[in-house]
Amino acid sequence: KQEVTQIPAALSVPEGENLVLNCSFTDSAIYNLQWFRQDPGKGLTSLLLIQSSQREQTSGRLNASLDKSSGRSTLYIAASQPGDSATYLCAVDPTNDYKLSFGAGTTVTVRA
Amino acid sequence: DADVTQTPRNRITKTGKRIMLECSQTKGHDRMYWYRQDPGLGLRLIYYSFDVKDINKGEISDGYSVSRQAQAKFSLSLESAIPNQTALYFCATSDFPGTDTQYFGPGTRLTVL
Repeated sequence: KQEVTQIPAALSVPEGENLVLNCSFTDSAIYNLQWFRQDPGKGLTSLLLIQSSQREQTSGRLNASLDKSSGRSTLYIAASQPGDSATYLCAVDPTNDYKLSFGAGTTVTVRA
Repeated sequence: DADVTQTPRNRITKTGKRIMLECSQTKGHDRMYWYRQDPGLGLRLIYYSFDVKDINKGEISDGYSVSRQAQAKFSLSLESAIPNQTALYFCATSDFPGTDTQYFGPGTRLTVL
């Protein structure tokens, strides 16, 4: 059974600092990995999706890397802003059947 | 208008009551999912449906049932609610073949007293 872990559970940084969020998974045989953002009272929004054949994906200030052999993914958010405050979750799709295994998330607070 | 909607958004009920949570989508996706989220835990899959005639149990289906009334509608029922079903429930959709991305509704916060 795939286990997905996110450490730390919470993170507080001053505005402008770069954010580094970690995700680890136990079974390296994955189809893809996604990073989601969750805001209170709203659903999850997909930020980046990395296919198993890829090493990284970038969108604006966000960059996600994937190292399947070590079972790790990292989400980098450059020059953080208060609007980046949210919970970030990673999810693994083991077999392209869309049955995602989620981590518990990292709650980020960016202080102005 | 939101692509994936859930009703109700909040619900407080008592132990033993039957509850139905509804999900509607306008994205035209065949695949729909129900998850629950508990504090400190990731989302866990309850049921999923790849089309109107295909419904499957997920990781934690005990105590739940679902109905796929149409491509756009997927309902989750708790036949006899119990306090440990207090959680945040999310509906999601995805297209296939497509972008592999799931699109989530805003969630229903359910409290069972």
